[in-house]
Amino acid sequence: NAGVTQTPKFQVLKTGQSMTLQCAQDMNHEYMSWYRQDPGMGLRLIHYSVGAGITDQGEVPNGYNVSRSTTEDFPLRLLSAAPSQTSVYFCASSLSGKSYEQYFGPGTRLTVT
Amino acid sequence: AQSVTQLDSHVSVSEGTPVLLRCNYSSSYSPSLFWYVQHPNKGLQLLLKYTSAATLVKGINGFEAEFKKSETSFHLTKPSAHMSDAAEYFCVVSDLESNDYKLSFGAGTTVTVRA
Repeated sequence: NAGVTQTPKFQVLKTGQSMTLQCAQDMNHEYMSWYRQDPGMGLRLIHYSVGAGITDQGEVPNGYNVSRSTTEDFPLRLLSAAPSQTSVYFCASSLSGKSYEQYFGPGTRLTVT
Repeated sequence: AQSVTQLDSHVSVSEGTPVLLRCNYSSSYSPSLFWYVQHPNKGLQLLLKYTSAATLVKGINGFEAEFKKSETSFHLTKPSAHMSDAAEYFCVVSDLESNDYKLSFGAGTTVTVRA
């Protein structure tokens, strides 16, 4: 199993550009989520999904969109990038509910200039 | 709602000495608690978790944590630090009985191990 994969590993955007961060898992996990990691703030939940076709907002959803058309994929879209979205983004998946282990991808380091 | 406070942003220990990372939590319901480790430029990996079974939880690489409800704490310990333990550690809480699927992460504790 590849686990959770994320592409790209690094990305530089100009303010106002849009892009999609890709996330895929091959473990047949129902739950998937996106976090951003900023120094001294831990990980903050952006959006999550409890299954195909179902998504919900996390702690910091503004400026991001998600969709979940398949169990395997959970892309994160930045609609109009801003410097405040410079961060490291992690995708995670888990078998089921909140008591289960999260499996994290390797992360995408995004810089917005 | 739940929240986590990691009491130390940075811990420095000598190789072979004990490690203690402190975590206090707040939860309206029965909590599920986790410790994750992140090595430089890597994703997070689960060290151990507590989900209302035994209060002393053993994890990977010799780490363990004790759930103390009266103190709302879930401190992580290891009897003897190794150089490979140098990393960032996150305490995480979720409310088992709430309707949402939200985990709350602490700000992290960076561990430095001196030779």
